[in-house]
Amino acid sequence: SQTIHQWPATLVQPVGSPLSLECTVEGTSNPNLYWYRQAAGRGLQLLFYSVGIGQISSEVPQNLSASRPQDRQFILSSKKLLLSDSGFYLCAYRDRGYNEQFFGPGTRLTVL
Amino acid sequence: GEDVEQSLFLSVREGDSSVINCTYTDSSSTYLYWYKQEPGAGLQLLTYIFSNMDMKQDQRLTVLLNKKDKHLSLRIADTQTGDSAIYFCAETRTGFQKLVFGTGTRLLVSP
Repeated sequence: SQTIHQWPATLVQPVGSPLSLECTVEGTSNPNLYWYRQAAGRGLQLLFYSVGIGQISSEVPQNLSASRPQDRQFILSSKKLLLSDSGFYLCAYRDRGYNEQFFGPGTRLTVL
Repeated sequence: GEDVEQSLFLSVREGDSSVINCTYTDSSSTYLYWYKQEPGAGLQLLTYIFSNMDMKQDQRLTVLLNKKDKHLSLRIADTQTGDSAIYFCAETRTGFQKLVFGTGTRLLVSP
């Protein structure tokens, strides 16, 4: 069966520090991968998606970047965090040929 | 453009039915989804419906789609306190990679 992992679960970082959030998927090959951000009390905003290794599409201009170094690994990064980067970050995947998108447990990021 | 709207809040009593509504603007929407998010957790896919259907039932959940009015609803029968959560609707089009989400409806079920 497929599972999706995210870590860390929570993170508190100072403004200006770097960021690396990791997402891995098990039990599938060549999935589409997604990073979303959910600000407090808000809906989900798609940040990045990837259809294959090294292929990243950015949805909104921002202080963040994404990379996909391996088929089932998706990383969200920043060189210098801003206060506005605080939020709940969710990774998701979708198997090719299927319509369902499944989400990981999320990472709560607080930038102070 | 793409836009998905939901009411922000719904309060019901345990045992009643809950109806959560969603409207969307993209007439090309092909699949419409309902997700559930419990506090501090990720999103759980509840069900989805293809745009050529007008109803789908899965145990206590009934999804109704009015494609003409671009209106989607989720009915939860015999609502339980464990159903308290935020419910998101989302839409996508065939061949597109991304889901467009509504702002979510917070359902509060009181005993």
